[in-house]
Amino acid sequence: EVQLVQSGAEMKKPGESLKISCKTSGYGFTSYWIGWLRQMPGKGLEWMGIIYPDESETKYSPSFQGHVTISADKSINTAYLQWSRLKASDTAMYYCARLYGDYRYWYFDMWGRGTLVTVSS
Amino acid sequence: QSVLTQPPSVSAAPGQKVTISCSGSSSNIGNNYVSWYQQLPGTAPKLLMYENNRRPSGIPDRFSGSKSGTSATLGITGLQTGDEADYYCGTWDSSLSLWMFGGGTKLTVL
Repeated sequence: EVQLVQSGAEMKKPGESLKISCKTSGYGFTSYWIGWLRQMPGKGLEWMGIIYPDESETKYSPSFQGHVTISADKSINTAYLQWSRLKASDTAMYYCARLYGDYRYWYFDMWGRGTLVTVSS
Repeated sequence: QSVLTQPPSVSAAPGQKVTISCSGSSSNIGNNYVSWYQQLPGTAPKLLMYENNRRPSGIPDRFSGSKSGTSATLGITGLQTGDEADYYCGTWDSSLSLWMFGGGTKLTVL
């Protein structure tokens, strides 16, 4: 069974760093892109970026490039999303999801349950 | 503002049919496949439709998808109160090299 298990909720202060995780199981981790998506309170889904774990190739949305880093550890089948300096506007639910298919046919077929990040002084 | 345009809300009575549109351009919907996601209140999104009109295992045939040119449509027949959710379309944009979602449509079953 394919599973994406995300790390627990986080409460941080502005300026702090954070790394959240998405541990996968049940499939070949290095064979599929993994994406990170943001959902701010009461808002829609936003694509942040994706990583291909086998080569650690990444693609970022211009909206998030430079503010977050997506990485992966093949040895433990886990993808990460990290911030070096959080802002209050980073308060949101963050989802990881597996990207299935080839790029013209891509779709997010499996999702984690989300990690709630709250940034407040 | 999303590049893929969806109506903010739609509503219909139980048992009725509703359609949700998703409008894009030649660099996204026009040349790539569309998927749809259902997000029930307080839960993570779930894949509802992929490759324009294919249903994952477990999705009832009350849900259908179609695409024409630069627009896609999700149809839901025999509406149930359990269908109340936010629905998102998504696809890859080949010119921008990024994935995009529509702004989401809130379905209310009256």
